[in-house]
Amino acid sequence: AQSVAQPEDQVNVAEGNPLTVKCTYSVSGNPYLFWYVQYPNRGLQFLLKYITGDNLVKGSYGFEAEFNKSQTSFHLKKPSALVSDSALYFCAVRDSFGGSYIPTFGRGTSLIVHP
Amino acid sequence: ETGVTQSPTHLIKTRGQQVTLRCSSQSGHNTVSWYQQALGQGPQFIFQYYREEENGRGNFPPRFSGLQFPNYSSELNVNALELDDSALYLCASSQTGQHVEAFFGQGTRLTVV
Repeated sequence: AQSVAQPEDQVNVAEGNPLTVKCTYSVSGNPYLFWYVQYPNRGLQFLLKYITGDNLVKGSYGFEAEFNKSQTSFHLKKPSALVSDSALYFCAVRDSFGGSYIPTFGRGTSLIVHP
Repeated sequence: ETGVTQSPTHLIKTRGQQVTLRCSSQSGHNTVSWYQQALGQGPQFIFQYYREEENGRGNFPPRFSGLQFPNYSSELNVNALELDDSALYLCASSQTGQHVEAFFGQGTRLTVV
């Protein structure tokens, strides 16, 4: 079985400061990990993914994520937050074991960037 | 913006009625997935269609059904609507593969009264 957890409902950060949105996962095989962002009344937009290779993945809008196999984590990061980054962020996982095409999404973390 | 479009954007239905939601997938994508996102929750996988066949299903009752057409557009049908069906319904298209990302439409907000 696969699962994903986003332990923080909300993250507050000042503009210009670094931000981290946390995600941990559980899979039987190797994970395929994704981050999406959702603005109010909109669908989800793809930010980045980890499939294999380098543990640091770079994505859209200056975001990056670090895959840590020993801690089963895939935290989203950005060196300098913008007010426009304020949105809902979702982590998702697919398990390579069993060939499942069904992804599991976390509950989401609301990021609020203060001016 | 992705090339995935959904219609309608908003819908109000009465309990017991039936509803059909529509989705046009992004060009070049042969796989369509549907999700239900309740308020304050992450998207829950309903089912996926690949080349007009259901290719996976989440934990939703049979009154949730779907279709995919030869042009890869798709419909989600929900019969006997219940109040708890009120949610944002998201359609996502992708190419085939576990490792590929999905591209989401803007969603249909369904309210059941």
